[in-house]
Amino acid sequence: DIQMTQSPSSVSAFVGDRVTITCRASQGISNWLAWYQQKPGKAPKFLISSASSLQSGVPSRFSGSGFGTDFTLTISSLQPEDFATYYCQQANSFPLTFGGGTKVEI
Amino acid sequence: EVQLVESGGGLVQPGGSLRLSCAASGFTFSNYWMGWVRQAPGKGLEWVANINQDGSDIYSVDSVKGRFTISRDNAKNSLSLQMNSLRAEDTAVYYCVTYHVSSGYFDHWGQGTLVTVSS
Repeated sequence: DIQMTQSPSSVSAFVGDRVTITCRASQGISNWLAWYQQKPGKAPKFLISSASSLQSGVPSRFSGSGFGTDFTLTISSLQPEDFATYYCQQANSFPLTFGGGTKVEI
Repeated sequence: EVQLVESGGGLVQPGGSLRLSCAASGFTFSNYWMGWVRQAPGKGLEWVANINQDGSDIYSVDSVKGRFTISRDNAKNSLSLQMNSLRAEDTAVYYCVTYHVSSGYFDHWGQGTLVTVSS
C-alpha cells in the first residue's frame, strides 16, 4: 500500500498569510494526487486533481504542485473561510489512501 | 445539482450487521463509478470501496474484505453498502462519493451517515 504523509499536522496562520502544506508518498505516484478541504461537521470538498488542476469554482489562491513523491498545496493569501483541515489522496493504485490531514488554524 | 443522500446509519452491537444506502440525483448515475469513504470520530479519511458503472468491477480496502459488500441499483439510482461482522473500529461517518475513474478523485460527497459499533 502507498502511505501518504502530510506535514505539518497543524499550522497556525493569520488572514493574508501564505500557507504551504506538504504531502509525501511512500513511492512514486506520478501526478496521481488530489486535495480536499474539510470544515468541522461537513463533508470534504474536492479542490485539486492531478496534483495541480484546480476544480471549477475553487478560488485561484489555491494551487497545487509536485510530481513523483513530493507534493504541495499552497494558499497564497489565507482567507477566513480557508480555516479547515486539508487532506491529500493518492490515486495511483488501490487501495486509495489519504494523508493524515493538516489543520489550518487561526 | 448533484445530490448524494446517505441513510441507514445507527448503533449496532459488535458482530452485527447494517446496510447503508445512498440516493443519488442530479446526474446520470449509471455513467459513474461510485464509492464509500469513512471517517472515524476525530480521525482522518479512509477509502472503503468503489464500484464501476455496471457493478462488474469492485475494489475495497483489505480491512473490510469478506465483511462489507458494495452494490448498486442503476434503475433506482441507488448505492448500497452491506456491512456484516461489524467491529468497534468500523465506527465512523460513512460518506457516499462519486469516483472520477480517469483521474482517481472523489468529486462529490454526501453529508454522511454515522455508524456506531458498540455494546
